[in-house]
Amino acid sequence: GQQLNQSPQSMFIQEGEDVSMNCTSSSIFNTWLWYKQEPGEGPVLLIALYKAGELTSNGRLTAQFGITRKDSFLNISASIPSDVGIYFCAGQLRSSNTGKLIFGQGTTLQVKP
Amino acid sequence: DTGVSQDPRHKITKRGQNVTFRCDPISEHNRLYWYRQTLGQGPEFLTYFQNEAQLEKSRLLSDRFSAERPKGSFSTLEIQRTEQGDSAMYLCASGIPGQPYPSENTDGYTFGSGTRLTVV
Repeated sequence: GQQLNQSPQSMFIQEGEDVSMNCTSSSIFNTWLWYKQEPGEGPVLLIALYKAGELTSNGRLTAQFGITRKDSFLNISASIPSDVGIYFCAGQLRSSNTGKLIFGQGTTLQVKP
Repeated sequence: DTGVSQDPRHKITKRGQNVTFRCDPISEHNRLYWYRQTLGQGPEFLTYFQNEAQLEKSRLLSDRFSAERPKGSFSTLEIQRTEQGDSAMYLCASGIPGQPYPSENTDGYTFGSGTRLTVV
């Protein structure tokens, strides 16, 4: 099935460091979402973006909806051990109003105390 | 807890057996989605319901798969004649059109904890 290109695939960082990950697509999206998933659980929504160029923060998390509508990034500042998990980008195609989401492959984040 | 509930959490079955999973959405959510997630991948859309109507099905949903939402509340996903390739996490999500982000009045587009299926 169609998926977004998410990078990096994994990151191993020191506590306190900043983290950046991004998603790209060849298709145009009208909504970008960022989720976090922990082992054995479903994805939990972190940030939702609705407009091209939009920059939104949620605590230490900041995400942006790319101007071209084909990309998005997520930054985590001053990482802490509980940031560990898999982060997914997800988007809804411009041509869709069903709420169907297309997901990236995920970025696995490990934080060393 | 008023979140999306899935049952069972884990299911181990022998190849060729039929299995059925249940999803109870957040009560005021009229949209319900099923996704499949294999190891190391993001979730992939399978199908969705608006109330009791199944409005879209992915090509991933072969003839062995069937989903129902008979009264517009809970939903079931059945897999017949399971194959080893069906091993995955099956996720259910519910939502209200146009409101993917939680607000004080809604939980937004919310995933359950999933059912982990292992076919041996």
